[in-house]
Amino acid sequence: GAGVSQTPSNKVTEKGKYVELRCDPISGHTALYWYRQSLGQGPEFLIYFQGTGAADDSGLPNDRFFAVRPEGSVSTLKIQRTERGDSAVYLCASSAAAHSETQYFGPGTRLLVL
Amino acid sequence: RKEVEQDPGPFNVPEGATVAFNCTYSNSASQSFFWYRQDCRKEPKLLMSVYSSGNEDGRFTAQLNRASQYISLLIRDSKLSDSATYLCVVKVGSGAGSYQLTFGKGTKLSVIP
Repeated sequence: GAGVSQTPSNKVTEKGKYVELRCDPISGHTALYWYRQSLGQGPEFLIYFQGTGAADDSGLPNDRFFAVRPEGSVSTLKIQRTERGDSAVYLCASSAAAHSETQYFGPGTRLLVL
Repeated sequence: RKEVEQDPGPFNVPEGATVAFNCTYSNSASQSFFWYRQDCRKEPKLLMSVYSSGNEDGRFTAQLNRASQYISLLIRDSKLSDSATYLCVVKVGSGAGSYQLTFGKGTKLSVIP
């Protein structure tokens, strides 16, 4: 079956611009997660959705970052006034339920802020 | 101190070799443990969960020592296709409150012909 998909696969933007990154989870998965992976590092947790609500956004680095999941399926991560330090791979994952053993990751969006 | 620490690597080993990766975690409330594999420019994929009694999956053996907060992964008879970055992962809590994965930086393995 279809896995987690993310678009775009690559995004190049200029400092100060606004970007939106999209995640389409596995059908039927209620839990959705965003992680960020910088070069040479492991993924770091950003935010977790259970259904439509953000159950934990403690990993978002600052108020320039925001995410939504209005219908409990597709999620969008929004970054305002991008900075060069935002350059990273943004990974989305989903699981059947929050406590499920396995989180399935999408291929990620590579964001480069010039 | 990082929550999950791994051998820095890289590990360059010949085909057929046995290689071991070590990992320590700092949060004693960690309840679930995993090894993920990440190929270059790809997403992480679950390799195996790690159980207190130790578990094996073919050429891969994972061990957990809760007292020492230590996790290991042993790969026997290395194949070229094992070349990847191996990520040690822990999850704090259990049940409905357990969801956030904490990753180590990863250890890169290159298996050489």
